Amino acid sequence: DIQMTQSPSTLSAFVGDRVTITCRASESIDTWLAWYQQKPGKAPKLLIYKASSLQSGVPSRFSGSGSGTEFTLTINSLQPDDFATFYCQQYQSFPLTFGGGTKVEIK
Amino acid sequence: EVQLVESGGGLVLPGGSLRLSCAASGFTFSDYAINWVRQAPGKGLEWVAYISSDGYRKYYADSVKGRFTISRDNAKNSLFLEMNSLRVEDTAVYYCARDRCSRAACYNLAYWGQGTLITVSS
Repeated sequence: DIQMTQSPSTLSAFVGDRVTITCRASESIDTWLAWYQQKPGKAPKLLIYKASSLQSGVPSRFSGSGSGTEFTLTINSLQPDDFATFYCQQYQSFPLTFGGGTKVEIK
Repeated sequence: EVQLVESGGGLVLPGGSLRLSCAASGFTFSDYAINWVRQAPGKGLEWVAYISSDGYRKYYADSVKGRFTISRDNAKNSLFLEMNSLRVEDTAVYYCARDRCSRAACYNLAYWGQGTLITVSS
């Protein structure tokens, strides 16, 4: 199985900050990576697919990059609505696997 | 509007069984692969099972293989998860989640239900 490791597990930031979250795969997954945002008590929301493609309706301050084993999710100018937990997910092969999550908190 | 509504959750004894349902609307159900994903209380996301749009291809997480069965009824726009030999560690919110792509699945999950809680406890 492909293991996904996210860092950091928690991140504190101010509104307006630029935030970067890293996701590493245990083997190459090309660009078969998605990012999700989850708020407490809610279902996850797809933000990015194929490592860097923005899902329809997602603000352009979210961006993704990377290939192979190392990926990043960047949020430019963090907004109050962005405080949440973010997960990466590989879909190179089954079983589909998620990273452990990164909680973005208000500083 | 795409909607996925899970039902069937509740409290069950270890070793017991439960059947979850997911009712879909707002899209052509038979065109999309669907997954079950779960989240234990305070924990991260865990993929559970996948079924192709035509129902012929199914995949399972090792943690549920042999105990859970995913199925669908395209005529009734419904997805199911038959859960047997339930364990305490199966306690979680279970989400059904639709693939982003129609016909040929792309394995990222664009639409999610609100989830249904399964508690396995004596």
